[in-house]
Amino acid sequence: AAGVIQSPRHLIKEKRETATLKCYPIPRHDTVYWYQQGPGQDPQFLISFYEKMQSDKGSIPDRFSAQQFSDYHSELNMSSLELGDSALYFCASSLGPFYTFGSGTRLTVV
Amino acid sequence: QKEVEQNSGPLSVPEGAIASLNCTYSDRGSQSFFWYRQYSGKSPELIMFIYSNGDKEDGRFTAQLNKASQYVSLLIRDSQPSDSATYLCAVNVGNEKLTFGTGTRLTIIP
Repeated sequence: AAGVIQSPRHLIKEKRETATLKCYPIPRHDTVYWYQQGPGQDPQFLISFYEKMQSDKGSIPDRFSAQQFSDYHSELNMSSLELGDSALYFCASSLGPFYTFGSGTRLTVV
Repeated sequence: QKEVEQNSGPLSVPEGAIASLNCTYSDRGSQSFFWYRQYSGKSPELIMFIYSNGDKEDGRFTAQLNKASQYVSLLIRDSQPSDSATYLCAVNVGNEKLTFGTGTRLTIIP
């Protein structure tokens, strides 16, 4: 069965650089979520999209933005990267209350 | 106070014994409750969900929900070394985003 695809799996960026993370949800899932998980932390909700429209916003810094495109894939854009942005970034898609998570992107800011 | 709280652990349980994981939540409007298992560096994996008060059993796993006490638990019977992971409690209010607890790290001792 198709899963949630995230790319890249690993990303190393320097401070003040920009990063773009991509997420391809499961076909026919209508909602996409982005979560950030720091070392030893629980996943923190960043932002979600329902049918390509932003549906909810969590603790997402102003330096971050996201969108969902016509083909339903989503991108998380992160600018002016800081060391504290180093984390696992998960995308999840759902149809109803059941999430399926992607494998995540590990971002390291040096 | 966090919206979802878990006993932070770490929790060590002998192989073959019962592991008990606890979670409390603050929003009385919460409707859906989930337990995710997360291996280090991997994405969360749904193992149990429960909507109604009482117990729900699936194989070696039993989820228990008490809405009056705002309490949900997960029991793992006949614990196996492969059960060693972090267990995340997650709560959903209506069709909104999942809110995660901080997780309980469980170690099964052979």
